[in-house]
Amino acid sequence: NAGVTQTPKFQVLKTGQSMTLQCAQDMNHEYMSWYRQDPGMGLRLIHYSVGAGITDQGEVPNGYNVSRSTTEDFPLRLLSAAPSQTSVYFCASSWGNRGNGYTFGSGTRLTVV
Amino acid sequence: SQQGEEDPQALSIQEGENATMNCSYKTSINNLQWYRQNSGRGLVHLILIRSNEREKHSGRLRVTLDTSKKSSSLLITASRAADTASYFCATPISGGSYIPTFGRGTSLIVHP
Repeated sequence: NAGVTQTPKFQVLKTGQSMTLQCAQDMNHEYMSWYRQDPGMGLRLIHYSVGAGITDQGEVPNGYNVSRSTTEDFPLRLLSAAPSQTSVYFCASSWGNRGNGYTFGSGTRLTVV
Repeated sequence: SQQGEEDPQALSIQEGENATMNCSYKTSINNLQWYRQNSGRGLVHLILIRSNEREKHSGRLRVTLDTSKKSSSLLITASRAADTASYFCATPISGGSYIPTFGRGTSLIVHP
């Protein structure tokens, strides 16, 4: 099994550009989440999903959209990139309340110039 | 949200010593999780402890949960240089949820 796969691993955007960070998992996990990690800030929850067709906002949702049309995929869209969105983005998935924690992807390092 | 707060922010010990990290949170929860992150990598899940459990073990890891004090601790016994990493506690975005939110972590350095 590949686990949680994030693409791309690195990306440089210009201010105002839009893009989609891809996340796919092959473990049939119900729960998926997106986090961003900034130096000294820990991880902050952007959006999450508890199943296909269900999404909700996390702690820092502004400037990001998500959709969950399939169990496997949970893309994160940056609508109009800003320098404040420079960060490392992690996608993660889990079985939810069945007692296992999240499995994390290896991250996407995004720089907005 | 109610991120846990880890203490200390940084910890430096010698190989073979025990390392203890603490996490405090503010409101009632049904579970608490601990994760490890090696530099530049994704997080790795270590232990999930539920609110009706007081203690849980996994190899050299021991996690306790005190719901009356709203605190948890992670003990790593007989530390190794390979344990050098950041450790995060994660509390649910809402009390009964299994969507974790994270604190800022404890940076552990184990000197060989």
